[in-house]
Amino acid sequence: SQQGEEDPQALSIQEGENATMNCSYKTSINNLQWYRQNSGRGLVHLILIRSNEREKHSGRLRVTLDTSKKSSSLLITASRAADTASYFCSLGQAGTALIFGKGTTLSVSS
Amino acid sequence: NAGVMQNPRHLVRRRGQEARLRCSPMKGHSHVYWYRQLPEEGLKFMVYLQKENIIDESGMPKERFSAEFPKEGPSILRIQQVVRGDSAAYFCASSKGEVQPQHFGDGTRLSIL
Repeated sequence: SQQGEEDPQALSIQEGENATMNCSYKTSINNLQWYRQNSGRGLVHLILIRSNEREKHSGRLRVTLDTSKKSSSLLITASRAADTASYFCSLGQAGTALIFGKGTTLSVSS
Repeated sequence: NAGVMQNPRHLVRRRGQEARLRCSPMKGHSHVYWYRQLPEEGLKFMVYLQKENIIDESGMPKERFSAEFPKEGPSILRIQQVVRGDSAAYFCASSKGEVQPQHFGDGTRLSIL
């Protein structure tokens, strides 16, 4: 299994601003998943995007996938203090567990 | 519908003791995964189990660590003769199938004195 690498490592923004974080990878994938981890908690699944999809929305979240560039981005619009967390991407390949990078730590200040 | 339940939430052991971490997957989920997280790091895969079978244990140390997922009851991650380096947060996740979103518990924080 291969891991995705999130970028940037840390991001600080004001409430109401948009936050964009990226994930790059090196292998072929069946899908790519984004997770959020609040301090002291387990990971929460946000969005799964399949390799034949280019964009997916869920509430204030927008995920894009460019398989030719082997990259994905997660956009959080109109951020809130409650969005403060670490965000991880993970590559889904049949028959394997998820592999996580170090994540992007997002801080949203009010 | 209860989520993934892990217990205990916090576990303190002295060097040389045994640690047992339990994980009850979500209802209807037959795939269980264990991960370890060190401070400021992402989760590292340890072992993947289905009922009564270990599917992939490539991330689990060969010595002192073992995992099981019996037909009845929770999945257990067992660490024998713990050392200071075993201090970490251990997370369990479950899914319905192989390439499905995983649902995580809130972890067990293991501290070794």
